[in-house]
Amino acid sequence: QVQLKETGPGLVQPTQTLSITCTVSGFSLTSYYMQWVRQTPGKGLEWMGFIRSGGSTEYNSEFKSRLSISRDTSKNQVFLKMNSLKTEDTGVYYCARAERRVQVMDAWGQGASVTVSS
Amino acid sequence: DIVLTQSPALAVSLGQRATISCKTNQNVDYYGNSYMHWYQQKPGQQPKLLIYLASNLASGIPARFSGRGSGTDFTLTIDPVEADDTATYYCQQSRNLLTFGSGTKLEIK
Repeated sequence: QVQLKETGPGLVQPTQTLSITCTVSGFSLTSYYMQWVRQTPGKGLEWMGFIRSGGSTEYNSEFKSRLSISRDTSKNQVFLKMNSLKTEDTGVYYCARAERRVQVMDAWGQGASVTVSS
Repeated sequence: DIVLTQSPALAVSLGQRATISCKTNQNVDYYGNSYMHWYQQKPGQQPKLLIYLASNLASGIPARFSGRGSGTDFTLTIDPVEADDTATYYCQQSRNLLTFGSGTKLEIK
């Protein structure tokens, strides 16, 4: 059974760094791309970036300067780190699995809610 | 960047047909496939894949959902609509990195 679960801090102060972990089961990180997508209040879905099955990464240019995606295949975990947080970064952060050729997201976590506030 | 444009909202009567459009500013076709996909998101839930490569039904999705289109113009059709279809529907391209449309909120009258 394919499962993805995000865990994050809930509350982060402005200018600080956000760290979220996505723990997966039922499939191998070396066979799929792992995506990060966020949804800010009142807005739609926003693709942030992905890590390929081979370990290289791509980022949305909007986040490129402050976003990092990495993984630990031995622990079946994918990590999102984003620095210089602003209040506008408040939202729900999802990890999703994507088949590598088509890049369609066929399994999603339930999302990690993040509030950026002092 | 490839930009996807969707109408913000649509209201359809129960049992009728809903047609949701998605237009792109660049062609998303590549070697015979259209790299356009559709998701459904209900309030408080994660998105759910409905259609991939423009017209292929994802696993477990009822045949009331269908997709069509190519190039820069795509549609998602729900026929007939049911009350449970109340949700926001997003298109997503994967021809050049990834982008989502802004979503169409479907109301069932």
